[in-house]
Amino acid sequence: NAGVTQTPKFQVLKTGQSMTLQCAQDMNHEYMSWYRQDPGMGLRLIHYSVGAGITDQGEVPNGYNVSRSTTEDFPLRLLSAAPSQTSVYFCASSYTRTASSYEQYFGPGTRLTVT
Amino acid sequence: AQKITQTQPGMFVQEKEAVTLDCTYDTSDPSYGLFWYKQPSSGEMIFLIYQGSYDQQNATEGRYSLNFQKARKSANLVISASQLGDSAMYFCAMREGTGGYNKLIFGAGTRLAVHP
Repeated sequence: NAGVTQTPKFQVLKTGQSMTLQCAQDMNHEYMSWYRQDPGMGLRLIHYSVGAGITDQGEVPNGYNVSRSTTEDFPLRLLSAAPSQTSVYFCASSYTRTASSYEQYFGPGTRLTVT
Repeated sequence: AQKITQTQPGMFVQEKEAVTLDCTYDTSDPSYGLFWYKQPSSGEMIFLIYQGSYDQQNATEGRYSLNFQKARKSANLVISASQLGDSAMYFCAMREGTGGYNKLIFGAGTRLAVHP
């Protein structure tokens, strides 16, 4: 299993540009999430999904869109990039609640710089 | 309202000694869970340990243990026999409710430095 994969690893955008951060998992997890991590801070939830076709907003959703057309993929779209969106973006996935597993599996992250 | 508080921006410990990283939380939901993650300088998030609010015993995973004091709303991470490879950022996180397994609230983190 590849686990959770994210592409690209690094990206530089100009203000106003749009782009999509890709996230895929091959563990058949129902739950997937996007977080951002700003310097010196913990992760903050952007959007999450509890299954294909179901998404919802997290703590900091403004400026981002998501969709979940398949179980495996959960792309994050930046509609019009702003310098405030410079951050490291993590995608994560997890099982629905089971007695044996509570872990969220994180991707390696995408480092985004908006100039 | 800040729900996860890690009051130690930085800690250092001598190799082979034990260290405690503090975490306090705030929630009104009787069902919740607490996580600790390690983030080395390479940037990935590594799951260490989990404690559910209804778990009777403190969680342990190898050299990691979670000192869960429900009445005080604290969930401190204890690392025994520190190793140089333990130098990293450590994040405490919480999920609320019976679901929420992918909706974690993170603290600001504690940077641990292990000295030889």
